[in-house]
Amino acid sequence: GIQVEQSPPDLILQEGANSTLRCNFSDSVNNLQWFHQNPWGQLINLFYIPSGTKQNGRLSATTVATERYSLLYISSSQTTDSGVYFCAVDASEGPQGGSEKLVFGKGTKLTVNP
Amino acid sequence: EPEVTQTPSHQVTQMGQEVILRCVPISNHLYFYWYRQILGQKVEFLVSFYNNEISEKSEIFDDQFSVERPDGSNFTLKIRSTKLEDSAMYFCASSWLVGTGELFFGEGSRLTVL
Repeated sequence: GIQVEQSPPDLILQEGANSTLRCNFSDSVNNLQWFHQNPWGQLINLFYIPSGTKQNGRLSATTVATERYSLLYISSSQTTDSGVYFCAVDASEGPQGGSEKLVFGKGTKLTVNP
Repeated sequence: EPEVTQTPSHQVTQMGQEVILRCVPISNHLYFYWYRQILGQKVEFLVSFYNNEISEKSEIFDDQFSVERPDGSNFTLKIRSTKLEDSAMYFCASSWLVGTGELFFGEGSRLTVL
């Protein structure tokens, strides 16, 4: 099955710093999503980005599907950005030619210190 | 913005007891999913559901598990006889399309089996 590798596994920042999180995947994908898991365990949708670039406030994401990677940029980080960031991809063949399940990476644990 | 809601947010149960986790997917979505995350580990696919039947399930989803859409709004996951290793965060998700559609996740139900 498809492999999803995220880097770095851990990242510690001072408030106000910028960061880039990377997601590499081993096969072509139909879907790629980024999530933030907050310290309470809740999974928050960040981006649906199988290709191209999107921005939402201080966060932006870019997926280069032909090179099988995606990047999540966090600018001017805040303590509330702390948590685990997951990349998940969908590549399997389903009954309608698409896929039905996301394969998650192990995540990047981000700690933003005040 | 429409969202997926899950109840309960946290449930504590004794080993061997039956547990039902409930989800209300986004109203016009057609595809429904359950995922599981054991503490400190990756989020893993359990099962997908479409047109009132299971469309795909993982090896984790054994005979102890079942899913149901008892009415037009709820989607449930039942664990018949809980084991210690069922302790995890369970996430419900829904999507309108399969294959190229974004999955929207609920905030999770934390199950603790004692």
